Amino acid sequence: RKEVEQDPGPFNVPEGATVAFNCTYSNSASQSFFWYRQDCRKEPKLLMSVYSSGNEDGRFTAQLNRASQYISLLIRDSKLSDSATYLCVVSKSNFGNEKLTFGTGTRLTIIP
Amino acid sequence: NAGVMQNPRHLVRRRGQEARLRCSPMKGHSHVYWYRQLPEEGLKFMVYLQKENIIDESGMPKERFSAEFPKEGPSILRIQQVVRGDSAAYFCASSGSTGAYYEQYFGPGTRLTVT
Repeated sequence: RKEVEQDPGPFNVPEGATVAFNCTYSNSASQSFFWYRQDCRKEPKLLMSVYSSGNEDGRFTAQLNRASQYISLLIRDSKLSDSATYLCVVSKSNFGNEKLTFGTGTRLTIIP
Repeated sequence: NAGVMQNPRHLVRRRGQEARLRCSPMKGHSHVYWYRQLPEEGLKFMVYLQKENIIDESGMPKERFSAEFPKEGPSILRIQQVVRGDSAAYFCASSGSTGAYYEQYFGPGTRLTVT
C-alpha cells in the first residue's frame, strides 16, 4: 500500500466551478501535511500547509481529519491558471527537518 | 532573495559516465534535501543533508549514488556509472527556520538523460 494515496484523475472542470481533491495517508505517525502544485516539467511549489483546524487561503481551503487519516483540498471559482498537478504531501515531523512523502498527484485541467 | 538554484538544468550522459548535480539552497537555509522523479511517477526522497553532515540517506540507492554538502559551496549529488534507469528529474529542496514549520522550497530541477 502506498504511504500517500491520491486519485490520479484527470479532473476536467469548467472555469468557475468548485473542485475537491482527497488524499489518504497510511502512517499514523505523520505530523505535518501540505498541498503542493506542480506544473508540467516544473518544480513542486508549496500551495499551503494543512492544519488540524482547517485553513483557508483565498479560493483554497484545506481540511485534515486525523482520525480517518484523510486530507482534502477545495478550490472555489476555479481559474484557467489552476490547471496543474496537485500533490498531497506528509511528513513525520511537526518541527520540520524531515523528509517529505509525496502522493503521485491529481491532475486538474480547467476548461474555458 | 534568490530561490533554490540547481545546475545544470539539463544533463546528458552516456551509460557508464558520471553525473554531478549541484544545488545551492536559499539564502539563510542550511538544510538540503534531494528528491528524484521518474517519468510519470511521484517524487521520492533520496537524502537529507546539513552542512558537512548526512542526516538521512534512507532513500539513496546503496551503490553508485553519493551526496555531500560541504562547509563552503553547493550540495552535490553524484551518480557514478550511470544507467538508463537513472534518467529522471532530480529536485533539490531547502529549508531553514521559519516560524514553527520548516517548509521545503524546491529548485527548478536537473533533468538527467542517460543515452
